[in-house]
Amino acid sequence: EVQLVESGGGLVQPGGSLRLSCAASGFTFSSYDMHWVRQATGKGLEWVSAIGTAGDTYYPGSVKGRFTISRENAKNSLYLQMNSLRAGDTAVYYCARGGDIPSWGQGTMVTVSS
Amino acid sequence: VIWMTQSPSLLSASTGDRVTISCRMSQGISSYLAWYQQKPGKAPELLIYAASTLQSGVPSRFSGSGSGTDFTLTISCLQSEDFATYYCQQYYSFPWTFGQGTKVEIK
Repeated sequence: EVQLVESGGGLVQPGGSLRLSCAASGFTFSSYDMHWVRQATGKGLEWVSAIGTAGDTYYPGSVKGRFTISRENAKNSLYLQMNSLRAGDTAVYYCARGGDIPSWGQGTMVTVSS
Repeated sequence: VIWMTQSPSLLSASTGDRVTISCRMSQGISSYLAWYQQKPGKAPELLIYAASTLQSGVPSRFSGSGSGTDFTLTISCLQSEDFATYYCQQYYSFPWTFGQGTKVEIK
């Protein structure tokens, strides 16, 4: 069974940093592209970043230069380093697996507030 | 970027109704489309992938159809537990993109 468990969320001041982690199990982690998706309260889903199996990375303009996605295949883990955080980054962040059948974790809450 | 138009944004229906939600793409995505159900405070749950394949454990009253640019989610006989928000998602190419969501509410 595919399992994705996010951690690392919390309260951070504007301009601060946070690192999210996602522990994957139940599939061959290194064979799949992985993604982060976020959802602000009461809003829709927004793709935040992706990393391919070769380590190639992708970001939308809203986070490019501030967020860094990475993976550690030996640990079946995905990460999202978030710097220069803004109030608009407040959201639940989901880790998701790509491939033929997308799979999602339960999410971790990030609150950016003073 | 592949843009998506999901409609309607709000759907008022009664238990037992047949409802349909549409998703239109700005370009063809073959069948790389998923449908999700989301309830308040919960993560999105995968209902359908590959446009028409039912995820394990999902009731058969849910069905998906379409390919290329036009897709549809149908709930054949709405149950009380189906009142929720539904999203479509394309995973044909990066970036993943999502529909704006359809809230199915009690009429």
